[in-house]
Amino acid sequence: GQNIDQPTEMTATEGAIVQINCTYQTSGFNGLFWYQQHAGEAPTFLSYNVLDGLEEKGRFSSFLSRSKGYSYLLLKELQMKDSASYLCAVKGDYKLSFGAGTTVTVRA
Amino acid sequence: KAGVTQTPRYLIKTRGQQVTLSCSPISGHRSVSWYQQTPGQGLQFLFEYFSETQRNKGNFPGRFSGRQFSNSRSEMNVSTLELGDSALYLCASSLGTGGRWNTEAFFGQGTRLTVV
Repeated sequence: GQNIDQPTEMTATEGAIVQINCTYQTSGFNGLFWYQQHAGEAPTFLSYNVLDGLEEKGRFSSFLSRSKGYSYLLLKELQMKDSASYLCAVKGDYKLSFGAGTTVTVRA
Repeated sequence: KAGVTQTPRYLIKTRGQQVTLSCSPISGHRSVSWYQQTPGQGLQFLFEYFSETQRNKGNFPGRFSGRQFSNSRSEMNVSTLELGDSALYLCASSLGTGGRWNTEAFFGQGTRLTVV
């Protein structure tokens, strides 16, 4: 089975940095994904890690340590539009298993 | 290119009824996955289809079923609806092949099902 944990909520100030941690225990691992979901909208793909290390994409970076079952999503230079739910998901055999999501609130 | 299209967007049904939801993937995508999203449980995997074959199935009762057609469009059906089936049902489309096939996974806007 899959067990994926991430914090429920985080709050940060505009322009700051926030790090969302995700720990997982899975029976199979073929990659870890981060998705962003605004209220009432579909999740949108942010990043994919399958090897250990850091993947950087503009203001967003994602890190993976397979031996520790750990990943984080780093959001830099926070903007108001970054207020959303961030979902950590692990790919198993032809399916994605999601964490419950972390709601990030950006304050002015 | 056109995105993933789910119909209908909203649906209200009565307990005991059945419902069919539709998902049209991005052109060229052959994999369609279905998820149920509720505030308490988050996104739960229902099943995944590729070339009309179900490749994986989540832990849902047999009342939840699906199928995929030769044009990759997919439907999911829920029979004997219960109040707890009220949720947002999302489908995700991807190429379905290759080591990094999930990097091309795109979600539709979802169908909001309310059971009363």
